[in-house]
Amino acid sequence: AQKITQTQPGMFVQEKEAVTLDCTYDTSDQSYGLFWYKQPSSGEMIFLIYQGSYDEQNATEGRYSLNFQKARKSANLVISASQLGDSAMYFCAMRESTGGGNKLTFGTGTQLKVEL
Amino acid sequence: ETGVTQSPTHLIKTRGQQVTLRCSSQSGHNTVSWYQQALGQGPQFIFQYYREEENGRGNFPPRFSGLQFPNYSSELNVNALELDDSALYLCASSMLRGSGDSAETQYFGPGTRLLVL
Repeated sequence: AQKITQTQPGMFVQEKEAVTLDCTYDTSDQSYGLFWYKQPSSGEMIFLIYQGSYDEQNATEGRYSLNFQKARKSANLVISASQLGDSAMYFCAMRESTGGGNKLTFGTGTQLKVEL
Repeated sequence: ETGVTQSPTHLIKTRGQQVTLRCSSQSGHNTVSWYQQALGQGPQFIFQYYREEENGRGNFPPRFSGLQFPNYSSELNVNALELDDSALYLCASSMLRGSGDSAETQYFGPGTRLLVL
């Protein structure tokens, strides 16, 4: 079974600074996908970024980048130039095949607070 | 906005009752997955529906059941509600190109908050 570990329950960052949210994973699959989602207090899970296990380059989407270190089984999210609207819960997730379909296994999340 | 909608937004039920939650998938998507998120935790996979068939199930009892319709919208039904069923229920829409599609990305709706008293 796959496992996702997020060791930072809460993080603070000042506006316009960069912040790294940690994620490590455990899997015996050769092919897998890693995702980051943002969940504001409203509850909706917002897709941010995806990294495939065979992708050689780190994924980037605007101010979000994923620092993928396959040998260390880590997939850290880097947010550059933090904004007040980035305050939310952030979840790392891994896609696991269920024998035909896919499911996401989530970590416990990191609560990010951006301060002035 | 993902184009994934869920109804109702909030619901209060009593223990032993039954509930039906609804989800409309994003246009062009053929797959719906359901997740339960208890307070302070990450979402837990309930099941996935692909082309109107259950296509994978998590560790949830049979009183959690679902349907997918020809337009790819979906329902989650929970019978004999228990207090621990109180949670945010999230529906995710995706496009599966076939069995074992490794490029699938799931897009979530706003969720339904269920409170069981």
